[in-house]
Amino acid sequence: QQQVKQSPQSLIVQKGGIPIINCAYENTAFDYFPWYQQFPGKGPALLIAIRPDVSEKKEGRFTISFNKSAKQFSLHIMDSQPGDSATYFCAARVGGSQGNLIFGKGTKLSVKP
Amino acid sequence: DAGITQSPRHKVTETGTPVTLRCHQTENHRYMYWYRQDPGHGLRLIHYSYGVKDTDKGEVSDGYSVSRSKTEDFLLTLESATSSQTSVYFCAISESGAANTEAFFGQGTRLTVV
Repeated sequence: QQQVKQSPQSLIVQKGGIPIINCAYENTAFDYFPWYQQFPGKGPALLIAIRPDVSEKKEGRFTISFNKSAKQFSLHIMDSQPGDSATYFCAARVGGSQGNLIFGKGTKLSVKP
Repeated sequence: DAGITQSPRHKVTETGTPVTLRCHQTENHRYMYWYRQDPGHGLRLIHYSYGVKDTDKGEVSDGYSVSRSKTEDFLLTLESATSSQTSVYFCAISESGAANTEAFFGQGTRLTVV
């Protein structure tokens, strides 16, 4: 119930393509769904996040689509660039004073020039 | 980067020795976390703290202990290191435990147990 399942494990796209990373969850108490971006040798950094009362959120070239009934959410990267090559983690968090982030296993994205 | 410093950044240690990793923050955030990152497993929570002297276990706490005697410092101790604890360890902080509070991560400590 506490798991967040992420796919695919790795993804290769050409520059300008639209990579899509998918995540699914079971726990309906999750109340916050962030995506983190991690470059080699660095810690993860928050990229974009969504609450379950919203079906879509855009920030620049990054969009989260959220399907509450299916308990799925996905990250789309428009006009992908080589600089977007990184590992992406979806996560989920239960609201409340001690809700902790539960992470997916990560997707390694490579954007070819 | 948020004011988070992890030390050491790299460490090689022998099986059976105790190891302590330190996380120091300058943000005065209440919550602090220790995660480990392993290929194919993503980030898994080891322990977390919600205040000075207030800590609790995460998903993979066996073989680890933590202490937080000051707001700014959160220590992770491997009592007797094993090869299965070879990993990259990340400290994270957040201002509160509310669902939409951003968590900020440190640069990580790469620990190798030989």
